[in-house]
Amino acid sequence: GESVGLHLPTLSVQEGDNSIINCAYSNSASDYFIWYKQESGKGPQFIIDIRSNMDKRQGQRVTVLLNKTVKHLSLQIAATQPGDSAVYFCAENRKTSYDKVIFGPGTSLSVIP
Amino acid sequence: DGGITQSPKYLFRKEGQNVTLSCEQNLNHDAMYWYRQDPGQGLRLIYYSQIVNDFQKGDIAEGYSVSREKKESFPLTVTSAQKNPTAFYLCASSIERRNSPLHFGNGTRLTVT
Repeated sequence: GESVGLHLPTLSVQEGDNSIINCAYSNSASDYFIWYKQESGKGPQFIIDIRSNMDKRQGQRVTVLLNKTVKHLSLQIAATQPGDSAVYFCAENRKTSYDKVIFGPGTSLSVIP
Repeated sequence: DGGITQSPKYLFRKEGQNVTLSCEQNLNHDAMYWYRQDPGQGLRLIYYSQIVNDFQKGDIAEGYSVSREKKESFPLTVTSAQKNPTAFYLCASSIERRNSPLHFGNGTRLTVT
């Protein structure tokens, strides 16, 4: 069935360490992927995106890796800070009759000071 | 600053009443969306609109209605026919319907008792 899922629903890391949040997707026809960060009581905020013709993209302290062979997406956060504590969602843009965006259930990241 | 404004932040209604959630954007985006978020779940699409005076049902449109009379505004009405209306509602917009990130408002938390 359709799904964008996460391997770990919660993740705790020490401040300063690197964080890796994983995401599996099920549809090989998906061609665009996005990571969002959602802080408590707020709407999701765009972090970084990647198209299917790429396997890596870097932003400021964040890197997204795409492995189309195993349909896996990951978000790496370098030198994790307390302000990074939030729920992180991956989303895929799937080609259907109306270009459906499928969101995963989210991973809660807690940064330990 | 450009962005999406949702109001009110908290809304309380009695069962059997219709209620309208406001969403306004000044990003000049053509596409707008309404999502519903329940605890521990990913976002689910209620309705979307690609252009003024046009809108389409998403995955969970039953019990909801929308209008798009202006580019900037996309109000959502939660009708009494919605069986489980208590949730966090998120409005979003994007430059294009495909392969572009969503910009979210900070949501409206609706409680129906």
